[in-house]
Amino acid sequence: SQTIHQWPATLVQPVGSPLSLECTVEGTSNPNLYWYRQAAGRGLQLLFYSVGIGQISSEVPQNLSASRPQDRQFILSSKKLLLSDSGFYLCAWSLTGYTQPQHFGDGTRLSIL
Amino acid sequence: GQNIDQPTEMTATEGAIVQINCTYQTSGFNGLFWYQQHAGEAPTFLSYNVLDGLEEKGRFSSFLSRSKGYSYLLLKELQMKDSASYLCAPAEDSNYQLIWGAGTKLIIKP
Repeated sequence: SQTIHQWPATLVQPVGSPLSLECTVEGTSNPNLYWYRQAAGRGLQLLFYSVGIGQISSEVPQNLSASRPQDRQFILSSKKLLLSDSGFYLCAWSLTGYTQPQHFGDGTRLSIL
Repeated sequence: GQNIDQPTEMTATEGAIVQINCTYQTSGFNGLFWYQQHAGEAPTFLSYNVLDGLEEKGRFSSFLSRSKGYSYLLLKELQMKDSASYLCAPAEDSNYQLIWGAGTKLIIKP
C-alpha cells in the first residue's frame, strides 16, 4: 500500500530565515504531487503541483518554490520567510488521472515569529 | 468563475442523521470529492461522485446532481468521532485541480 511521509510536524522560524519542507511517497511510481497551505478556518490553497520529475506548476506567485528532485520526493522551500507564510502546510499525492483522490501527509504547522 | 458554498457549521446529536449540502460553480467538471478533516489534522478522503445519484459507503453516503451543481454528504448513526470539518471539492477538467471549499464544521452532541 502507499504511504506518504511529511516532516517536520511543527516548525517555528524567525522572519527572514530559509525554509525546507520535505515529503516522500512510498508504494507507487510517478504520482502526482501537491503542496497546499491552509490558514486557520479556511479552505486549502494549492501552492504547487507536479506531474513528474522536474515538472512543477505554480498556482500562487509568492516567495515559495518547489522542487521534485526524485520521482517520489517533493520539497517546498523559501529563501526568506515572511510573517504571512505562517500556516498549515500539507503535501498530497494522487495517482494520475482526474478521478483519483488526493491523499495527504500529516502536515507541517509553520509559525513565523 | 469558481465558487463553493457550504454551511459554515452544523450541530447534530449522537445516533442521528445529518446532511451536509454543497453547491458549486466551476468552469469544467470531472467529479466531486468529499473529505473529512479533524481539527489540527490532514484531510482524509471519504467519497467521489462523477455521475448523478447516490453513492453509499457504510454510514456515509454522497449524492450528486450535475445539472444543479449540487452535492450532499449524508452521515447516519452519528458518533462522537464524526465531529470534524467536511470539505466539498469539485474537480475541474484541467490541471488535476480540486476547488476546495472552507468546509462545514460538524459538532456532535451526546
